[in-house]
Amino acid sequence: TAGITQAPTSQILAAGRSMTLRCTQDMRHNAMYWYRQDLGLGLRLIHYSNTAGTTGKGEVPDGYSVSRANTDDFPLTLASAVPSQTSVYFCASSAGDGSGGYTFGSGTRLTVV
Amino acid sequence: GQNIDQPTEMTATEGAIVQINCTYQTSGFNGLFWYQQHAGEAPTFLSYNVLDGLEEKGRFSSFLSRSKGYSYLLLKELQMKDSASYLCAVMDSNYQLIWGAGTKLIIKP
Repeated sequence: TAGITQAPTSQILAAGRSMTLRCTQDMRHNAMYWYRQDLGLGLRLIHYSNTAGTTGKGEVPDGYSVSRANTDDFPLTLASAVPSQTSVYFCASSAGDGSGGYTFGSGTRLTVV
Repeated sequence: GQNIDQPTEMTATEGAIVQINCTYQTSGFNGLFWYQQHAGEAPTFLSYNVLDGLEEKGRFSSFLSRSKGYSYLLLKELQMKDSASYLCAVMDSNYQLIWGAGTKLIIKP
């Protein structure tokens, strides 16, 4: 089934450790996004990539980094996790100018202790 | 700044009609989206409005007034499976989506 695959589904991480959240799409969408979703807040954009080889900072980029080596993969790395990074992380993609909507992965629930 | 406002929670009865409102103030406008998100799941696309007026899709309809910075999502013949959060999002001048916090819709039998 075409779509976006995120891994892992959930993770408990010790503070200070690093971790990479994986995201892969098979729709050949040019744009990809990483969001975090916290209770009572809207989806907040962490980083985005409009096309392979380019990335940009979103609303809450601090503590996170991304890379876009090819069209399909868009990993998100936490270099040194802190408890405030406990959240649900969604990867999304869109084609063209995004007017067709975003397709979301199933999310990664991360708990930093 | 950019802002999307929608009610935090609404309750409705199975079989009834409910209207979820969304008001926005953004830097530019390239369309408004509604998404549905069931608890513990990813958001799924419901509708897209870029011109004023009503877009109907089965039991769901979405309305837009750009001059008023206002949209609503209308759900008819409510079913228990419609219990979910409904997210309003506006695409700004940079083609980035600005998201509201979502409206949790509770359906009672």
